[in-house]
Amino acid sequence: NAGVTQTPKFQVLKTGQSMTLQCAQDMNHNSMYWYRQDPGMGLRLIYYSASEGTTDKGEVPNGYNVSRLNKREFSLRLESAAPSQTSVYFCASSARDGESPLHFGNGTRLTVT
Amino acid sequence: AQRVTQPEKLLSVFKGAPVELKCNYSYSGSPELFWYVQYSRQRLQLLLRHISRESIKGFTADLNKGETSFHLKKPFAQEEDSAMYYCALIRGSYIPTFGRGTSLIVHP
Repeated sequence: NAGVTQTPKFQVLKTGQSMTLQCAQDMNHNSMYWYRQDPGMGLRLIYYSASEGTTDKGEVPNGYNVSRLNKREFSLRLESAAPSQTSVYFCASSARDGESPLHFGNGTRLTVT
Repeated sequence: AQRVTQPEKLLSVFKGAPVELKCNYSYSGSPELFWYVQYSRQRLQLLLRHISRESIKGFTADLNKGETSFHLKKPFAQEEDSAMYYCALIRGSYIPTFGRGTSLIVHP
């Protein structure tokens, strides 16, 4: 039982490049989330998926897109990376919408130069 | 709207001293509150949830609805407690809300 698995662990991009962060969970959870973590800002929600087939914007969605590929997988795409997107990205999942504790992945440390 | 406030960015104590990490929330309904801990460069892990009323690693947290607080306490801090602590409110919407976190440093 791996829990929440994120890939890659580290990535360096140049401004304007694109990439997709992958996230998969094996706990049969309904809800999945993408957060970014910045010093002094805590965790800010980018996008979430309350259930398979649905996605919604969080607090800081600009510059990102998501895909809930199936119940297990929830990917985050940066179409044209900017230095302001340098951050640590965490994927999380929970059993039920808004009522269960979140389980987090190990994070992706992204640097945009 | 839900809001979680952790007023201290940094809390620095010596080993053996008591610790209290503050968390205040605003929510009109009945909240479910959690504390998460993140050790250096690791994933966030659930530490406590208020409904379980348990003690984990010597930490406790009591929900005070009158003061809308959910402070995390430990009577005697240990060096291994040094970490980032996040208070979270999860209830009534699909969007869990986190505070900005408090960095706890326990000096030897």
